Formats: sequence, C-alpha cells, structure tokens
Amino acid sequence: GAGVSQSPSNKVTEKGKDVELRCDPISGHTALYWYRQSLGQGLEFLIYFQGNSAPDKSGLPSDRFSAERTGGSVSTLTIQRTQQEDSAVYLCASTRGGGMNTEAFFGQGTRLTVV
Amino acid sequence: AQSVTQPDIHITVSEGASLELRCNYSYGATPYLFWYVQSPGQGLQLLLKYFSGDTLVQGIKGFEAEFKRSQSSFNLRKPSVHWSDAAEYFCAVNTGFQKLVFGTGTRLLVSP
Repeated sequence: GAGVSQSPSNKVTEKGKDVELRCDPISGHTALYWYRQSLGQGLEFLIYFQGNSAPDKSGLPSDRFSAERTGGSVSTLTIQRTQQEDSAVYLCASTRGGGMNTEAFFGQGTRLTVV
Repeated sequence: AQSVTQPDIHITVSEGASLELRCNYSYGATPYLFWYVQSPGQGLQLLLKYFSGDTLVQGIKGFEAEFKRSQSSFNLRKPSVHWSDAAEYFCAVNTGFQKLVFGTGTRLLVSP
C-alpha cells in the first residue's frame, strides 16, 4: 500500500476483554515496529520484527501483550484481559530494512479506550 | 541503556519568532538521530536525520538540527515559526539495537 495502515482507528472495549489491533506495513518493508503512546509518556517501544528473525519483544509490558507477523507482512497486536491502563494510542511503523539509518514510516494509530 | 531526554514538555512561541527544541541523548558512541513531528490527528512524519558528516542537517519545512557531540545534544531549530508548525515534536535515536528510542516529546504552541 501507499502507507502504513492500521485498523481499527478507534476501539472502545470493556475491561477484561481481549482486543486485536492490526497493522499493514508498506509493501516491501521488512521491519515492523509497535509503539504505545500514552499521554505524557512519549512513544514506548513494544516489539520489533525484522524479516524472519526472532522478534525483539523486550518492550512488551506484560504477558497479556503479544504480537505476531504473518508472512512477513501484516502484524497483529493482541492484548488479553484489557485493563484501564492499557488505554493509549498504539502506533505501528515499518522500515525498508533493519539498518539504523532507515526512515520509519508510521501509521495513524489505533486509539484504544478501556472502560 | 540508551535514552533520549526532551526537557521541555510545552513550548509557546510567537508566530514569526525563532524556535529551538532541545534533545539530549545518552549513549557511548554516536547514535543515529532523528526528529519526527506529529501534527494533530496525523501520524508521525520524519523532519530530518543525522548519521555522520556535517553536524548541521537540514530537514523539511524549514527545520534544521545541529549535532553536538560534546553536549550529547541534537537540538531542532527553525528561524521563523508559522502557525502550522504547532504540533508535537519527538527526538529519537537508533543505537544499533534495531529499535528507535523516542523522547517524551515537546508540544509546540504558536501564538499569534
């Protein structure tokens, strides 16, 4: 696609429910990132996928969070048993490769509200 | 661990005035440095980046940034701010561990 696409753009869920957030990276981009943006917290790194390598999951805040990337393209971030503190904007980004100098292209994000 | 500090949470600048947004990083070697802008309702957009060479880099929308190794800083500047520059600005570093580390952001308000 022309850009990084994320869906849904907004999600309201009840506490305790599971949610899935989807990211469709730019075609041909091998690297994909998930970040969480909370008010006043900046962008918090969650997980990084690069090609067929094992993902870097070091930023996932708890075992309720998981992500997968199928076929080296679309990624899904799953949050189980959502809590109110999970409310945030979840941003996905992709880069052409894994190099340090490559520009990251971001999606518009999914705003998650847990009530 | 590498980190990025943006000490100013909010900055208000009059339209037409100059702007400087501060960014300091913590890392032993020279990292790869970026500035991104997030306008209301928009995704993050890359303004400029520094890898090596000339320490003054030019970006889009009239922005520039200067890398100062001695101060571990990469401050963003613009000589004359326009109302459309009101946004949130993020400094980021990539130190080779394949993940961008972002600062907490600086929200720029532009007064008439």
